[in-house]
Amino acid sequence: QQQVKQSPQSLIVQKGGISIINCAYENTAFDYFPWYQQFPGKGPALLIAIRPDVSEKKEGRFTISFNKSAKQFSLHIMDSQPGDSATYFCAASQGNFNKFYFGSGTKLNVKP
Amino acid sequence: DVKVTQSSRYLVKRTGEKVFLECVQDMDHENMFWYRQDPGLGLRLIYFSYDVKMKEKGDIPEGYSVSREKKERFSLILESASTNQTSMYLCASSSPSSEAFFGQGTRLTVV
Repeated sequence: QQQVKQSPQSLIVQKGGISIINCAYENTAFDYFPWYQQFPGKGPALLIAIRPDVSEKKEGRFTISFNKSAKQFSLHIMDSQPGDSATYFCAASQGNFNKFYFGSGTKLNVKP
Repeated sequence: DVKVTQSSRYLVKRTGEKVFLECVQDMDHENMFWYRQDPGLGLRLIYFSYDVKMKEKGDIPEGYSVSREKKERFSLILESASTNQTSMYLCASSSPSSEAFFGQGTRLTVV
């Protein structure tokens, strides 16, 4: 079964708006939650990551909100820009081997 | 700059062929991974390796094998390619408890 569930599958946002992508997980042993950004023709690249000892992490316009009790985490992109148009993947991993489990991806389109 | 290099960007192979996908990383990472990416399914782990000559099955290992003879190199082998193995293949590497760095991907088409 899918270890990490991601929604929505696609998202259209106007320039300057807020993009929100949600993920949920089941395994409480997960201890690292990264978000990856992928542009067409490229491999995914780390955008921002969080560990379960904090509830929020912010880097520039990107924020992860983490709810340990609900086993959910989300990516917020503030002031979304056309250059943010990409596919976003949430992921979760446990321990040293970094066996990542990925969500199914969200294709974000930011309209000018 | 961390670099994970996959030997081919595009490959076209015939059904039944043995296919080798090569991946090299230059960061002395212990962990290496092979994923396949399909629309709507995200990235699914095929195999991973946490040390030279060590390998573990991921979620979809059937029809694949791997080889890691040197720390920097991790190869994915399709023993007898089939059309349902047409996909984007992504290699990644990481240090323990850290982010994964991905290669550019190999788009494999099996005809």
